[in-house]
Amino acid sequence: KAGVTQTPRYLIKTRGQQVTLSCSPISGHRSVSWYQQTPGQGLQFLFEYFSETQRNKGNFPGRFSGRQFSNSRSEMNVSTLELGDSALYLCASSRQEGLAVEQYFGPGTRLTVT
Amino acid sequence: LAKTTQPISMDSYEGQEVNITCSHNNIATNDYITWYQQFPSQGPRFIIQGYKTKVKNEVASLFIPADRKSSTLSLPRVSLSDTAVYYCLVGDGAAGNKLTFGGGTRVLVKP
Repeated sequence: KAGVTQTPRYLIKTRGQQVTLSCSPISGHRSVSWYQQTPGQGLQFLFEYFSETQRNKGNFPGRFSGRQFSNSRSEMNVSTLELGDSALYLCASSRQEGLAVEQYFGPGTRLTVT
Repeated sequence: LAKTTQPISMDSYEGQEVNITCSHNNIATNDYITWYQQFPSQGPRFIIQGYKTKVKNEVASLFIPADRKSSTLSLPRVSLSDTAVYYCLVGDGAAGNKLTFGGGTRVLVKP
């Protein structure tokens, strides 16, 4: 079974631009979550989508947004990029059995803002 | 979500057993305990998950005492490739999948 895939793997943008990252979950997984990882803040939760609806949201500004399509693929968008948005952006898809959840992470997209 | 506390770092040698203990004093009744492993510039990898007592898979064992206020991840006979950051998380899927990662434990395996 194919794992979680993320595209692109690396991206360089300049301040003020916007960026769209893509995530394809494991087949059959309906939940997709996004995380930001930086050396200073560690791994932080951005938001989660389930059946095309945002189910959970972290403490990030409105410049960070996302969506999920009917095939469970998800995109996240960051508008008006700032230097501090440079990070590894991780996507995870989930399998849930009752209250036990296993999340499977993709390789991430390394975003550099200059 | 319950807060977790784990050591910042641990050193070990090849072939030894590594035990990482995580404290989660305010774990809720429905919470599961999950451990992830992360290598630099890669996404975390699910290692093991448990609710109580002992869980074992081909990679690790997880020991959870009766009060569930802590858990210990045991990595048998580590190799250099086990050098990574290990995260302990607690939570359940009732409100969706929102993982709160702490600082993790940086394990360095030396030859």
